[in-house]
Amino acid sequence: GAGVSQSPRYKVAKRGQDVALRCDPISGHVSLFWYQQALGQGPEFLTYFQNEAQLDKSGLPSDRFFAERPEGSVSTLKIQRTQQEDSAVYLCASSLIRAANNSPLHFGNGTRLTVT
Amino acid sequence: DQQVKQNSPSLSVQEGRISILNCDYTNSMFDYFLWYKKYPAEGPTFLISISSIKDKNEDGRFTVFLNKSAKHLSLHIVPSQPGDSAVYFCAASGSDTNAGKSTFGDGTTLTVKP
Repeated sequence: GAGVSQSPRYKVAKRGQDVALRCDPISGHVSLFWYQQALGQGPEFLTYFQNEAQLDKSGLPSDRFFAERPEGSVSTLKIQRTQQEDSAVYLCASSLIRAANNSPLHFGNGTRLTVT
Repeated sequence: DQQVKQNSPSLSVQEGRISILNCDYTNSMFDYFLWYKKYPAEGPTFLISISSIKDKNEDGRFTVFLNKSAKHLSLHIVPSQPGDSAVYFCAASGSDTNAGKSTFGDGTTLTVKP
């Protein structure tokens, strides 16, 4: 596709439910990032993949958060036993080359998760 | 403790005038800085960047200035247009961290009035 695609766009979950958020990066992009954006704040780093390898998961807030990219393309962010504080927009971003600090990120439109 | 700060949550300017958005950082290991623009219900889109070896980078109406000694950067938009109305995020990354892992400020909402 032309850009990074995320689904669903909106997700409402009851507290305690598990959710799975999907990201289709730009074809051929090696690097994939997940960010969490709370209301009124900037995106905060969650995790980074280079192809299928998860090289950095230092931003995942708890062991309830899990991400995978098994074939080096589509990625899924899973949140188990959702809590109200998990409510946020989850942004996926990709970049063409192996991540370098001069490589801008291409973001999807995000998934807005609301936990009730 | 926020490492990238955008102290002005909002800015309003008249069409045709200059918009100046500011950003401060605390981590001296940051050596690459980016500005992203975000419209409602969309993801951020890359606007312009600057390496720490430079003090200015220009792209059309957009210019970013970097003052390393002050750990301060600014984005200038001249002339401002109503379509520039959006949230602008400053982001920083460093070669000592996972490259591409950017730290973002909380954004400044720019409104350009016709």
